[in-house]
Amino acid sequence: AIQMTQSPSSLSASVGDRVTITCRASQGIRNDLGWYQQRPGKPPKLLVYAASRLQSGVPSRFSGRGSGTDFTLTISSLQPEDFATYYCLQDYSHPFTFGGGTKVEI
Amino acid sequence: EVQLLESGGDLVQPGGSLRLSCAASGFTFSNYAMDWVRQAPGKGLEWVSIINSGETTSGENTYYADSVTGRFTISRDNSKNTLSLQMSSLRAEDTAVYYCAKRSWNGDALDMWGQGTVVTVSS
Repeated sequence: AIQMTQSPSSLSASVGDRVTITCRASQGIRNDLGWYQQRPGKPPKLLVYAASRLQSGVPSRFSGRGSGTDFTLTISSLQPEDFATYYCLQDYSHPFTFGGGTKVEI
Repeated sequence: EVQLLESGGDLVQPGGSLRLSCAASGFTFSNYAMDWVRQAPGKGLEWVSIINSGETTSGENTYYADSVTGRFTISRDNSKNTLSLQMSSLRAEDTAVYYCAKRSWNGDALDMWGQGTVVTVSS
């Protein structure tokens, strides 16, 4: 199975900060990667698909980049509602696999 | 409005079985692949299984995480707009919130999630 290594596992930031989260795949996955946000007690929410395409309704401060093995999710100016845990998911090959998650805290 | 409503979560003893269901509404269920994802208490997300769009549960239409292969079976009833997960030989490590999720039209993302149902495996 493809391993997805996400970093950092947690970070502390302030409102207005620029935040970048990284996911590295153990082998090439083209651009078959999505980013999901999960707030406490809630189901995940799709932010970015195909590595760089913003899901409809997601604020433009979120952006994704990458292809092959290295991917990033950037929040350009952190807002209070962005404090949550973020996960990447590769759906290039079965079994699909999530990264370990990044908790963004104040 | 697209809605996914999971049910069937319960407390079950190790070695036992349980069947989860996910009732879908607000979209043409048969046209979309569907996944199950779980989250153990205090842990990250774990992908569990996928079933492609279509009418059958033949091997080429379903895939599983290594941790559940041979114990879990995903299926769908397009006439009832229902996704199911039959779980057997349950272990303590299967304790989790189980989410069903709908794939996008081209299958490249999970664009809608249910609220989840809780499975606890304990004696």
